Parts: sequence; structure tokens; C-alpha cells
Amino acid sequence: NAGVTQTPKFQVLKTGQSMTLQCAQDMNHNSMYWYRQDPGMGLRLIYYSASEGTTDKGEVPNGYNVSRLNKREFSLRLESAAPSQTSVYFCASSGRRDRMREKLFFGSGTQLSVL
Amino acid sequence: AQKITQTQPGMFVQEKEAVTLDCTYDTSDQSYGLFWYKQPSSGEMIFLIYQGSYDEQNATEGRYSLNFQKARKSANLVISASQLGDSAMYFCAMRGFSGGYNKLIFGAGTRLAVHP
Repeated sequence: NAGVTQTPKFQVLKTGQSMTLQCAQDMNHNSMYWYRQDPGMGLRLIYYSASEGTTDKGEVPNGYNVSRLNKREFSLRLESAAPSQTSVYFCASSGRRDRMREKLFFGSGTQLSVL
Repeated sequence: AQKITQTQPGMFVQEKEAVTLDCTYDTSDQSYGLFWYKQPSSGEMIFLIYQGSYDEQNATEGRYSLNFQKARKSANLVISASQLGDSAMYFCAMRGFSGGYNKLIFGAGTRLAVHP
């Protein structure tokens, strides 16, 4: 049971470089999310996708773009990486959007350092 | 706007004792859900427990219970009989319908250390 798979697990970038974080889930979930985790700030929502073909901004979307490629895959792109984007990134998914108790299933995280 | 506040950056507890991790929330929604997640040093996020705003009883899952006080807008996690493996970061989270979609927002977390 793969669940939510994120790649890569670690990445080091130079300022100005671009990269895409990949995320795929095999649970047939409608909703997918990208969070970043910084010390003392918990997890903050970057972007989310309520269903295939839709994406919306979260709390901290600046500097990021996303693509909901299909129901399984939700990618996060950094077009021009900045040191402030050094963080741990988590992808997550959940099932029915109308169920309040629907919990999130998380990937294992990507540790990104921007030098 | 919705907000989750965890005021304890770090907590210590002796093995086999109980510990309470605090969480307060702010929302204008009438219907909402509250979650606790555990993040061990390995980094994965593990769901622990859920409480709905209309649930009449406090949620329990094994050694975990949620002390839900709706009027005070608090949803504290109680871990009974602490074990060394409980050492981890703990995050309180809330889901509501503000803004038209039920996103999950998180608090800053509490780091729990269990001492032998």
C-alpha cells in the first residue's frame, strides 16, 4: 500500500534554480494539498486541489505554482528558488470533501535547501 | 479567519505518567472538526484522534483522549501512561468551511519528551 508518494526526499538548489516536487496518491482521493513545515510555525498550506482540474491558493502561495495533472498526481513547482523556500514540504490527500472527519494522509516529506 | 494556537513549545513527562497538550482554536464556523497528529523524529505525520464540533462525547483512541471544551474553544490532547515512543512533535489541526472549502489548518506544534 503506497498511499501518498513524494519525490524527491532531499534536494539542494542554488538561488534562482527551478524544480518540481512530485506527488502521487493511489487511494482515489479527490483532494490533494501541499504544505510546508518550518520550525515554530507548524504546517502552512501552500496550495490545494479540491478535485481534478481545480487548484486554489492556501496561506503561503507566493513563489510556487501547482498542477493537478490527473486525479492521482499533484505537483509543486518552484520557478526561481529563494533561500526563504528552504523548508520541508509535505504532500497530502483526503477523500470526500464534504466529510468533516475526513483526515489527511501525508507523504513522507521533501527536505529542500536553497543556498 | 480560523486559527489554531498551541502555547507549549515543549513539554516533558515521566514515563508512565499522563500528559496534557494544549490546543485552543478560533473559528466562526458552527460545524468544524479537530484533529491531532503526531510527528516522530522520522518525519512522517501520523493521525491520532478526531473530534467533531457536534460530537457529544470526548473522543478516545486507546491511550489518547481529547478533552473538548467547546465554550472555551479548547481541544486538549491527553496521553495516558506515557511511553518512550511518545516522544515526538504533536500538532493540533482544525477543519472548517470558512472560505468555502474545508481546508485543514495546523498549529505550531508541541514537542513532547518522555523521560525514563
